[in-house]
Amino acid sequence: QSALTQPPSASGSPGQSVTISCTGTGSDVGGYNSVSWCQQHPGKAPKVIIYQVTKRPSGVPDRFSGSKSGNTASLTVSGLQADDEADYYCFSYAGKNNYVFGSGTKVTVL
Amino acid sequence: QVLLVQSGAEVKEPGASVKISCSTSGYTFKNYYIHWVRQAPGQGLEWMAILNPSGGDTSSAQSFQGRVTISMDTSTTTVYMELNSLRFEDTAIYYCALAGLDYWGQGTLVTVP
Repeated sequence: QSALTQPPSASGSPGQSVTISCTGTGSDVGGYNSVSWCQQHPGKAPKVIIYQVTKRPSGVPDRFSGSKSGNTASLTVSGLQADDEADYYCFSYAGKNNYVFGSGTKVTVL
Repeated sequence: QVLLVQSGAEVKEPGASVKISCSTSGYTFKNYYIHWVRQAPGQGLEWMAILNPSGGDTSSAQSFQGRVTISMDTSTTTVYMELNSLRFEDTAIYYCALAGLDYWGQGTLVTVP
């Protein structure tokens, strides 16, 4: 199972929006509505910010939103803030109790 | 509150095995799967395996099959991950995480010199 494909980096100025893509196949991203997104700050454990493609855990600002079209899921961060600078990973169910992470995207707030 | 507390850092020789524990509390143990995830220095997250505490069924990523064993002790609500035949490339932080990834252990650094 190869890692899902994410752009290595993305950036935006404070207040702007950034969208990160996560491309898989019909056997993972495209086959199930089970895509999560995690945010990881340096030296910290990851934190889930989106689950089941579009849902936000309590406490996660609505500036974070998720979507999916075909084999590609996307995470949009609106109204960028300094604390949004982190690594972001998508995570998808891949059938038969297997899962796969994306390759990760480093978001820089300019 | 939900807590996942992992065992401490390990240094192992190539070819050896390591067994990491993940002690859970604050929820009904059998109701939630447990993932194991690792992160090599400066690298991304890699999914390793999953345990269903209700019955003990496990599944692992193809790249770890034959080398990883996931087990549990229901009396202490502790989950274990054992990785065999360690090599330099297994140097990483290993995490346990609750299904849904909303709760994570603090991570265990395994170093294979």
